[in-house]
Amino acid sequence: GQQLNQSPQSMFIQEGEDVSMNCTSSSIFNTWLWYKQDPGEGPVLLIALYKAGELTSNGRLTAQFGITRKDSFLNISASIPSDVGIYFCAGQLRGSGGGADGLTFGKGTHLIIQP
Amino acid sequence: DGGITQSPKYLFRKEGQNVTLSCEQNLNHDAMYWYRQDPGQGLRLIYYSQIVNDFQKGDIAEGYSVSREKKESFPLTVTSAQKNPTAFYLCASSTTGDPGDTQYFGPGTRLTVL
Repeated sequence: GQQLNQSPQSMFIQEGEDVSMNCTSSSIFNTWLWYKQDPGEGPVLLIALYKAGELTSNGRLTAQFGITRKDSFLNISASIPSDVGIYFCAGQLRGSGGGADGLTFGKGTHLIIQP
Repeated sequence: DGGITQSPKYLFRKEGQNVTLSCEQNLNHDAMYWYRQDPGQGLRLIYYSQIVNDFQKGDIAEGYSVSREKKESFPLTVTSAQKNPTAFYLCASSTTGDPGDTQYFGPGTRLTVL
């Protein structure tokens, strides 16, 4: 199956710093999604990207769909304590029948904010 | 409230028993999905359904079964054939169409097999 490499695996930052994480794929996707997951909870959608080259913001979060369709990045500006959690990228390729296939997930970036 | 519900939150079963996990959505989404998450790992796709009475295997379908008799419901059965069933199970549903498909997740069920 498709592989997603997400980096870094973990980040230790100071409150107020900017954060950057990215995902690369061995094959193309036509949708990239970024989720945040708190312990014991389901992932919550942060940003959805549907078009190569698309740059989308959601408050302090900005994400881009790479031109090659094989990569995406997420930036968080001016981090705050509630940003702590695990961030996942996920890619999706629409099936040959036009329907939505499942997502392929990266292994996550664990964000830890030091006081 | 609109959303995806999974019950129960925690489930314990003895080895060799089948167990069914519930997933219900009132978002009027056509597509539904089941994922498994192991500690420190991303989510892996078990089964998905794009329409009622139809479903497809994902990457790790062995030892699992599903049904999709109603648009709102997509139960997952973990059978005794699943070698390592203890995990966090997540259900999702999605819209379809322009500009693309976006999956939304339920709160998850943590299954522990003793």
